[in-house]
Amino acid sequence: QQQVKQSPQSLIVQKGGISIINCAYENTAFDYFPWYQQFPGKGPALLIAIRPDVSEKKEGRFTISFNKSAKQFSLHIMDSQPGDSATYFCAASMNYGQNFVFGPGTRLSVLP
Amino acid sequence: DGGITQSPKYLFRKEGQNVTLSCEQNLNHDAMYWYRQDPGQGLRLIYYSQIVNDFQKGDIAEGYSVSREKKESFPLTVTSAQKNPTAFYLCASTLSGRGRWDTQYFGPGTRLTVL
Repeated sequence: QQQVKQSPQSLIVQKGGISIINCAYENTAFDYFPWYQQFPGKGPALLIAIRPDVSEKKEGRFTISFNKSAKQFSLHIMDSQPGDSATYFCAASMNYGQNFVFGPGTRLSVLP
Repeated sequence: DGGITQSPKYLFRKEGQNVTLSCEQNLNHDAMYWYRQDPGQGLRLIYYSQIVNDFQKGDIAEGYSVSREKKESFPLTVTSAQKNPTAFYLCASTLSGRGRWDTQYFGPGTRLTVL
């Protein structure tokens, strides 16, 4: 119940296309769902996050869609650019935020 | 600039040696974390600390030890008991280990290689 599943493992998208990464969780106690972006050799950086009281959050080209009943959330990257090529991790945390659970990551490659 | 620093960036260890990875933050965050990342894999929690002089084991604590003598510092020692220590180690912190919406902020990482 502590797991967060993430798919696909890798994704190749043409420049200008839409990248979609999906995550699913089981534990309904999770109440915070961030996405992190990690470039090779660097630490992950917070990209965008959502709470379960909203169904969608948009920041620039990045949108999180959240389906509470299905226990799923996804990241959409519009107009994908080569600079978006990185590994993306979804995560979930519950009360007190003391223990984040991370998905296994998706390696995104955006072709020029 | 506020942030999390980790040192060294690269570390090489001989078999049977203990090594210590440094993590310092000037964000005034209460909680700090250590993760291990293996190639092509996600993050696995080693240890975390919500307050000075207190810490808890994560999912893969065996072969590792930590201390939290100061709020700003959370060093990780990789002991000789850790049989496969070659990995990328990430330190993170949050404002409060008890906040519901806390975001984890990560350091730049230390890549440890066993020779």
